[in-house]
Amino acid sequence: QKEVEQNSGPLSVPEGAIASLNCTYSDRGSQSFFWYRQYSGKSPELIMFIYSNGDKEDGRFTAQLNKASQYVSLLIRDSQPSDSATYLCAVESASKIIFGSGTRLSIRP
Amino acid sequence: DTAVSQTPKYLVTQMGNDKSIKCEQNLGHDTMYWYKQDSKKFLKIMFSYNNKELIINETVPNRFSPKSPDKAHLNLHINSLELGDSAVYFCASSPHSGSGNEQFFGPGTRLTVL
Repeated sequence: QKEVEQNSGPLSVPEGAIASLNCTYSDRGSQSFFWYRQYSGKSPELIMFIYSNGDKEDGRFTAQLNKASQYVSLLIRDSQPSDSATYLCAVESASKIIFGSGTRLSIRP
Repeated sequence: DTAVSQTPKYLVTQMGNDKSIKCEQNLGHDTMYWYKQDSKKFLKIMFSYNNKELIINETVPNRFSPKSPDKAHLNLHINSLELGDSAVYFCASSPHSGSGNEQFFGPGTRLTVL
């Protein structure tokens, strides 16, 4: 079983809609969870981090964490073409960050 | 003004050669990392240093040797390069090695082994 799992996509969402990205993880002891965005040919950049169960909102982005289900998600409201990228879920496990393989998101005009 | 910088950006070399990648951060962070991202975009940690001390050493061939002369620099030397070493190598830094750290990534070095 992979430590951090994501659907590779591509996930195609119309402009203005909500994009929903999901991630599951295997280490029940994980305490910190991150979403990174990576444009093609560029380096990953942090969008959101979440430590507590529930929702955390920042602008158009909402991270959701459910530790009981070992599930973390990212919602992007009012999706824009500039949101088209690969989104990497990252989970802190045993003092290191484990990345998922990413979900490719495509926003169609 | 670049926070985390890497050189070179591209590296094309023959099998069997030895090469180095350099990384520098000007953020005042204590912890630095090397990651490898393969063709399937899977980003995997290789090494981590905290204040020049090695704290994470994943299962990486010993042809890969990191060196941290000071906490602002973390270099990666690769001996006897193989085709499978072709990937993008990212350096990153974070304020400290504890939990809940945001990592700041460099622009990456695309290594191609022919």
